[in-house]
Amino acid sequence: DIQMTQSPSSLSASVGDRVTITCRASQGIRSYLAWYQQKPGKVPNLLIYAASTLHSGVPSRFSGSGSGTDFTLTISSLQPEDVATYYCQNYNSAPLAFGQGTRLEIK
Amino acid sequence: EVQLVGSGGVVVHPGGSLRLSCAASGFIFDDYTMHWVRQAPGKGLEWVSLINWDGSDTYYADSVKGRFTISRDNSKNSLYLQMNSLTTEDTALYYCAKDSGHYYGAYYFDYWGLGTQVTVSS
Repeated sequence: DIQMTQSPSSLSASVGDRVTITCRASQGIRSYLAWYQQKPGKVPNLLIYAASTLHSGVPSRFSGSGSGTDFTLTISSLQPEDVATYYCQNYNSAPLAFGQGTRLEIK
Repeated sequence: EVQLVGSGGVVVHPGGSLRLSCAASGFIFDDYTMHWVRQAPGKGLEWVSLINWDGSDTYYADSVKGRFTISRDNSKNSLYLQMNSLTTEDTALYYCAKDSGHYYGAYYFDYWGLGTQVTVSS
C-alpha cells in the first residue's frame, strides 16, 4: 500500500507570506494527487486535483505542482482565512491514503 | 445543491455493531462512486471504504477489512456502512463523500457530508 508523508506537520507564517507544504508518496503515483483544506470544526474542502488543477471556486493564490512521488501545495500570499489543516491524498488506486496533515497558523 | 446527510451514529460498546446511513440528494446518485472517510478526535483523515455505482466493486482500508461492509440502495439514494466487531480505535466522525468522477471512479472527493459521530466505549 502507498503511504503519504507531509511536511511540515505544522507551520506558522505571516499574512502575505508565501507558504509551501510538501507531500511525498512512498511510490510513484503519477499525478493522482489531491489537496484538501479543513478549517477548524468544518468539513474538508477539495482544493486541487490531478496535482495541479484548481477545483472550481478555489482562490488563485493556491497552486499545486509535482508528479511521481514529490508534490507541493503553495499559497502565494497567505490570508487570515487560510488558517486550516491541509491534507494531500493519493488516488492512484485503492486503498486510498491521506497524508497526516499540515496545520497552518498565522503568526 | 448536493447534500449528504448522515445518520445512525451512537455510543456503542466494544464488540458491538452499528449501521451508518447517508442520504444523498442534489445529484444523480447512481452515476457516482461513493466513499466513507473517518476522522478520529483530534486526528487526521482516514479513508475507510468505497463502492462503485452499482455496488459490484468495493474496497476497504486494511484497518476495517473483514469487519465493515459498504453497500448502497440506488432506489433510495442511500449509502450504508455496516460496522461489526467495533473497537475503541473505531471512535471517529464518519463522513460520507461523493466521488468526483461521473460514471467512473476518480477516487477523490468533491462533496462531503457533515459527518456522523461514532463512539465506541465501555
